[in-house]
Amino acid sequence: QVTLKESGPALVKPTQTLTLTCSFSGLSVSSTGLRASWLRQPPGQAPEWLARIDWDEDKFYSPSLRTRLTISKDTSKNQVVLTMTNMDPVDTATYYCARMPVGGVNAFDIWGQGTVVTVSS
Amino acid sequence: DIQMTQSPSSLSASVGDRISITCRASQTINSYLNWYQQKPGKAPNLLIYAASSLHSGVPSRFSGSGSGTDFTLTISSLQPEDFATYYCQQNYDIPWTFGRGTKVEIK
Repeated sequence: QVTLKESGPALVKPTQTLTLTCSFSGLSVSSTGLRASWLRQPPGQAPEWLARIDWDEDKFYSPSLRTRLTISKDTSKNQVVLTMTNMDPVDTATYYCARMPVGGVNAFDIWGQGTVVTVSS
Repeated sequence: DIQMTQSPSSLSASVGDRISITCRASQTINSYLNWYQQKPGKAPNLLIYAASSLHSGVPSRFSGSGSGTDFTLTISSLQPEDFATYYCQQNYDIPWTFGRGTKVEIK
């Protein structure tokens, strides 16, 4: 059974850098065909896709946030990490990691439980 | 970015009703369209992928159709556990984008 679990600070101050970790269980982050994404969902709004890292280290970012985001993998810990710089109150949201496998089910088929991040001084 | 427009934004229905939700893309996305259900405080849950393929474990009362720019999610007989918010999402082109959602409420 594959599970994902997000972790990170619940509260960050404006201008600070947010670092979030997605821990994979039951699947290696280096597995062929794995595409891991970060998404977020502000209260009462739709999800928004942020970034993706593939099994072969290809990386993709939302153009509107490209300058603030970095996605990476820590294969020794079986984790995917997202950093977002210069946090602002509008970045307050629940942040999710999710898997979209290549081929077959070409959709976000497994999600983490989400981690709530509030940006406030 | 590809804009996804869902309608209606909300609807009220009764148990046993047949309902449909539509999603329109701002450009053709072939069949790269997925549908998710989300309940309060939970992550979205995949229902339909590639416009019409039922995800494993999803009840057969859910179905999807469409291609190009116009898509539909249908629930053939609404059950109490189906009252939730539904989102469409395209993965034709990055950035992957979602519709604003349709909230299905009990009449």
